[in-house]
Amino acid sequence: DGGITQSPKYLFRKEGQNVTLSCEQNLNHDAMYWYRQDPGQGLRLIYYSQIVNDFQKGDIAEGYSVSREKKESFPLTVTSAQKNPTAFYLCASSQGRNPSELFFGEGSRLTVL
Amino acid sequence: SQQGEEDPQALSIQEGENATMNCSYKTSINNLQWYRQNSGRGLVHLILIRSNEREKHSGRLRVTLDTSKKSSSLLITASRAADTASYFCATDPKGGSEKLVFGKGTKLTVNP
Repeated sequence: DGGITQSPKYLFRKEGQNVTLSCEQNLNHDAMYWYRQDPGQGLRLIYYSQIVNDFQKGDIAEGYSVSREKKESFPLTVTSAQKNPTAFYLCASSQGRNPSELFFGEGSRLTVL
Repeated sequence: SQQGEEDPQALSIQEGENATMNCSYKTSINNLQWYRQNSGRGLVHLILIRSNEREKHSGRLRVTLDTSKKSSSLLITASRAADTASYFCATDPKGGSEKLVFGKGTKLTVNP
């Protein structure tokens, strides 16, 4: 079954620690995206990548980093520089450069203790 | 920056009734999309309407687009308890931004 897999589903972090969220897709999609969702809010774009070895900052990139070494993988690192990292993180992919339809993973919920 | 603004923020109806959600946006678009999110899950794409289209249907869903008013509506007919979810509009702005801009969503509760 094709789709997007995010892991872990739940993650707890102590302040000052970096954590990496995994996102893998087997849809052969070119573009991948990371969004952050806070309670009762919409999605805010963190980073996106249209092709391998290239990515762009979204609206709230500060305190986050990404890599795109393989077409199917787009991990997100939440660094200690992110002041308020507790949130629900969603990874998505789309077939072409223009996002005609996004396919989402099931999300990763990060809680900072 | 969030372009889409859904209205109402929350909607509670009885099973069998119709649910209407609205979305307003600010800039010209290539297309507008609606997504559904069950609590604690990822989003699922429902329907896409292009800027040159005025209405589109998919099963019990009907979407309209008024580019002169920069607004769209999503109608769910004969609602079911399983339709309970949050619904988001997302716009693909003109100008080659290559990314969707999401609104804050409407939380729909369908009571059995």
